[in-house]
Amino acid sequence: KQEVTQIPAALSVPEGENLVLNCSFTDSAIYNLQWFRQDPGKGLTSLLLIQSSQREQTSGRLNASLDKSSGRSTLYIAASQPGDSATYLCAVRETSGSRLTFGEGTQLTVNP
Amino acid sequence: DTGVSQDPRHKITKRGQNVTFRCDPISEHNRLYWYRQTLGQGPEFLTYFQNEAQLEKSRLLSDRFSAERPKGSFSTLEIQRTEQGDSAMYLCASSEVDRNTEAFFGQGTRLTVV
Repeated sequence: KQEVTQIPAALSVPEGENLVLNCSFTDSAIYNLQWFRQDPGKGLTSLLLIQSSQREQTSGRLNASLDKSSGRSTLYIAASQPGDSATYLCAVRETSGSRLTFGEGTQLTVNP
Repeated sequence: DTGVSQDPRHKITKRGQNVTFRCDPISEHNRLYWYRQTLGQGPEFLTYFQNEAQLEKSRLLSDRFSAERPKGSFSTLEIQRTEQGDSAMYLCASSEVDRNTEAFFGQGTRLTVV
């Protein structure tokens, strides 16, 4: 059974800092990995999707990497801003079209 | 297209009542997923459809839960005889079949059972 773990569970940083969120998964036979953002009481916003054949994806200040063989992904946020404060979730998909298995998220607070 | 739409956004119900939630996926997406999320946890898979066919159900989906997607467009999730443990955020997502299967989520329905 696939298990996804995110470390740390919570992170508080001053504005402007670069930071890394970690995601690990137990079964490396994944189809893709997706990073989401969730604001309190809201749904999930897709940030980045990495296919199993890719090593990284970038969108603006966000960069996600994937090391499938070791079962790890990282989300790098450059020059953090208070508006980045949210919970960040990673999820893996094991086969095309199948369910996503989520981690429990990292709650990020960026202080002005 | 405005994305995945869920209705209602919030629902408060008394224990033992039945509730029904609706999800309208992105129009060209033929896969639709339901997830449940409790406070401080990641979403947990409940079920998914490809067009009108329900292809997979989680063991979390007890016999009090039923989901339908009658015409392969919108979907409903019904919970019968609600219990306090059903209190959660119910999230709907949709994706395409033949592309990169990026999943897009709605804003969720927050259910509180009192």
